[in-house]
Amino acid sequence: DVKVTQSSRYLVKRTGEKVFLECVQDMDHENMFWYRQDPGLGLRLIYFSYDVKMKEKGDIPEGYSVSREKKERFSLILESASTNQTSMYLCASSLLGLAAGELFFGEGSRLTVL
Amino acid sequence: DAKTTQPPSMDCAEGRAANLPCNHSTISGNEYVYWYRQIHSQGPQYIIHGLKNNETNEMASLIITEDRKSSTLILPHATLRDTAVYYCIVRVADSGGSNYKLTFGKGTLLTVNP
Repeated sequence: DVKVTQSSRYLVKRTGEKVFLECVQDMDHENMFWYRQDPGLGLRLIYFSYDVKMKEKGDIPEGYSVSREKKERFSLILESASTNQTSMYLCASSLLGLAAGELFFGEGSRLTVL
Repeated sequence: DAKTTQPPSMDCAEGRAANLPCNHSTISGNEYVYWYRQIHSQGPQYIIHGLKNNETNEMASLIITEDRKSSTLILPHATLRDTAVYYCIVRVADSGGSNYKLTFGKGTLLTVNP
């Protein structure tokens, strides 16, 4: 089975801190994604990557950056955390081509910024 | 990607079939219909997808109308563990670059009652 592992289930950070959210997948998937989920707003795409060192902005990239140095790992970086970035963050991966719509999600990382 | 319309909530009795509708009247000829579900406090889970023909797998069946303007996800024997938010999404299956993303709406909260 595909496994997408997010490094932390729960984090609490202070305003202005630099935050790293790590995601690792074990099925050699080309595509990786970062979403955030907020009540009433659903899932919104932050960034995605379809290859090592490649990244594309999603719908809400402001305040975030990403890194994909290895195929299995996709990191989301909050350079200076703010309270409006308190959210559930979900990482996902998929293959290219016809299977690209079959996303495998991690368990999520709930971030609270105080 | 075409927009979808789903009822916000539905109830189903345990052991009965759950039929979840989705309207996608503006779907294009090369767009597939995908279904995901999200159980509370977990990441979304891929269920099934299809283009024109009805599809069945170990989790569910997908019925797509002949004009492709709507579809129904069927859980043949719903259990309490099927209580979740179900998302219907349409997208081009084999698209590159910035079209890889899936756009999640608000979905349907299915509650399976004992």
